[in-house]
Amino acid sequence: DTEVTQTPKHLVMGMTNKKSLKCEQHMGHRAMYWYKQKAKKPPELMFVYSYEKLSINESVPSRFSPECPNSSLLNLHLHALQPEDSALYLCASRKGLAGEETQYFGPGTRLLVL
Amino acid sequence: AQSVTQLGSHVSVSEGALVLLRCNYSSSVPPYLFWYVQYPNQGLQLLLKYTTGATLVKGINGFEAEFKKSETSFHLTKPSAHMSDAAEYFCAVSGSGGSNYKLTFGKGTLLTVNP
Repeated sequence: DTEVTQTPKHLVMGMTNKKSLKCEQHMGHRAMYWYKQKAKKPPELMFVYSYEKLSINESVPSRFSPECPNSSLLNLHLHALQPEDSALYLCASRKGLAGEETQYFGPGTRLLVL
Repeated sequence: AQSVTQLGSHVSVSEGALVLLRCNYSSSVPPYLFWYVQYPNQGLQLLLKYTTGATLVKGINGFEAEFKKSETSFHLTKPSAHMSDAAEYFCAVSGSGGSNYKLTFGKGTLLTVNP
């Protein structure tokens, strides 16, 4: 089983709202990723968690706040977003071992900021 | 440093025709190479991957790719296109070993299949 789940599937929020995206995997993977994907573009890496510790932050604005409560769960907290933040947000996971480079992606959350 | 170039942002084929999607990569370490497919409004699904060993890699849905080190290529092929193959295809590279945990994606190729 290589399933990564994401909720919600769709989200509409105003610029003053606070919302959270959730990602879950039960494959025992120890590395988890957040990507942002705009239409007709490849995914752009935002954050990487390795063994529940933030290991990469690709200079993402502070209105995006990641959290990894445990090895199976990854959240992305959203606050005071801008319309240009509207995109598909993808979560991915990887075993986390050297030589195990395959990332498995979830279905994404389609975010619209009004 | 790594990079991926996908030649052709849009490829159109007839149903039953050969599918060929081109990918060239650059990597300073032995690469791991991937092809992902993305259907409209969905996430990325792994089609196939090359890590080490056999250079001809078979994936799901009848796709295969050949790793050619001398040409730094990893082109994706399928002998006979099906309407359900219409999607966006991304080639990606990751450095092998060490702490290189990032995927570098190409810009993607949109495959259209005509009846």
